[in-house]
Amino acid sequence: QVQLVESGGGLVKPGGSLRLSCAASGFTFSDYYMTWIRQAPGKGLEWVSYISNGGSTIYYADSVKGRFTISRDNAENSLYLQMNSLRAEDTALYYCASGPNPYYFDYWGQGTLVTVSS
Amino acid sequence: EIVLTQSPATLSLSPGERATLSCRASQSVSSDLAWYQQKPGQAPRLLIYNASNRVTGIPARFSGSGSGTDFTLTISSLEPEDFAVYYCQQCSNWPRTFGQGTKVEIK
Repeated sequence: QVQLVESGGGLVKPGGSLRLSCAASGFTFSDYYMTWIRQAPGKGLEWVSYISNGGSTIYYADSVKGRFTISRDNAENSLYLQMNSLRAEDTALYYCASGPNPYYFDYWGQGTLVTVSS
Repeated sequence: EIVLTQSPATLSLSPGERATLSCRASQSVSSDLAWYQQKPGQAPRLLIYNASNRVTGIPARFSGSGSGTDFTLTISSLEPEDFAVYYCQQCSNWPRTFGQGTKVEIK
């Protein structure tokens, strides 16, 4: 069955960096489009970044542009999010999500929590 | 960026009642809209895509309608497991955006 497992979250000081990972299994990773979505505590969903199946097309939310970098390794069935210059407002549960097309998010992981605090 | 506005913020209903959730887009998204359900402590789950297509395995009591800027998610008869938060999401433009959510709670 499809499984997405995020890791790499934790407590980091403002201005610090973290690298999130998402390990995929149960589907042909290189055929799927991948997205990071976050949810601040008690709040709604916020789309963060997208990468196409081959990695050639990438988009970011304005709130993270220039600070976050999405990437993927199709040989390792893994998705990444490098987060630099972290701010308090980046505190959230970060989900990776996948779909067979660039439009919808069919599968979700359980999320990894990022807390930015001094 | 396309803003999605969901209403109401909270819907208080009893099991067996009909739930009608609204999502309005700041500009036309054609039929490029999805609905997700999120229960406490769980990841969201895709229910409806292309405004009105049910995902395989989603019960028939869930239906979606609308196009352009106005969309509706209807739950024909609420089951206990349907009490949750529902989000709409557009995929017409980048960045993708979500509505702020509608909580369906037990009255």
